[in-house]
Amino acid sequence: GAGVSQSPRYKVAKRGQDVALRCDPISGHVSLFWYQQALGQGPEFLTYFQNEAQLDKSGLPSDRFFAERPEGSVSTLKIQRTQQEDSAVYLCASSRQATGETQYFGPGTRLLVL
Amino acid sequence: DQQVKQNSPSLRVQEGRISILNCDYTNSMFDYFLWYKKYPAEGPTFLISISSIKDKNEDGRFTVFLNKSAKHLSLHIVPSQPGDSAVYFCAALWWNFNKFYFGSGTKLNVKP
Repeated sequence: GAGVSQSPRYKVAKRGQDVALRCDPISGHVSLFWYQQALGQGPEFLTYFQNEAQLDKSGLPSDRFFAERPEGSVSTLKIQRTQQEDSAVYLCASSRQATGETQYFGPGTRLLVL
Repeated sequence: DQQVKQNSPSLRVQEGRISILNCDYTNSMFDYFLWYKKYPAEGPTFLISISSIKDKNEDGRFTVFLNKSAKHLSLHIVPSQPGDSAVYFCAALWWNFNKFYFGSGTKLNVKP
């Protein structure tokens, strides 16, 4: 596809439910990033993949958050036992090379935990 | 502790005038800066960038200025158009760590 796509676009979950958010990066892009954006704030880094390797997961807020990119293309961000404070927009971005490149963002998944 | 700050949450400008959006950062190791534009229900889209070895980068109506000594960058839009109305985020990158830090955004409203 032409850009980064994410699904679902909207997700409502009951507290305690597990959710999985999908990201399809731009074809051929080496790097993939996940961000969390709270209302009225800028995106905050969660984790970074270079191909299938997760090189940085320092931004994941707790061990309930898990991300994978097993074949170096599509990535899934999983949140277990969701809490209300997990409500946010989750953005995925990809970049062509390994470091220092402009990142191209998907439309985001808006997660609401009730 | 926010390393990138946009202290103006909103800005209103008349069509045809200049829009100036400001961004401050605290980490002197940042060496690449970008501006992103975001419309509602869409992801941020890349607008313009500047490397720390430069102090100015221009692309059409958009110019980014970097003042490293003041740890300050700004985005100038001249002339402003109603279609420029969006939220603008500045972002900073520390090359070695490949991690972008974003400001909280400035909502620009360009009035016809």
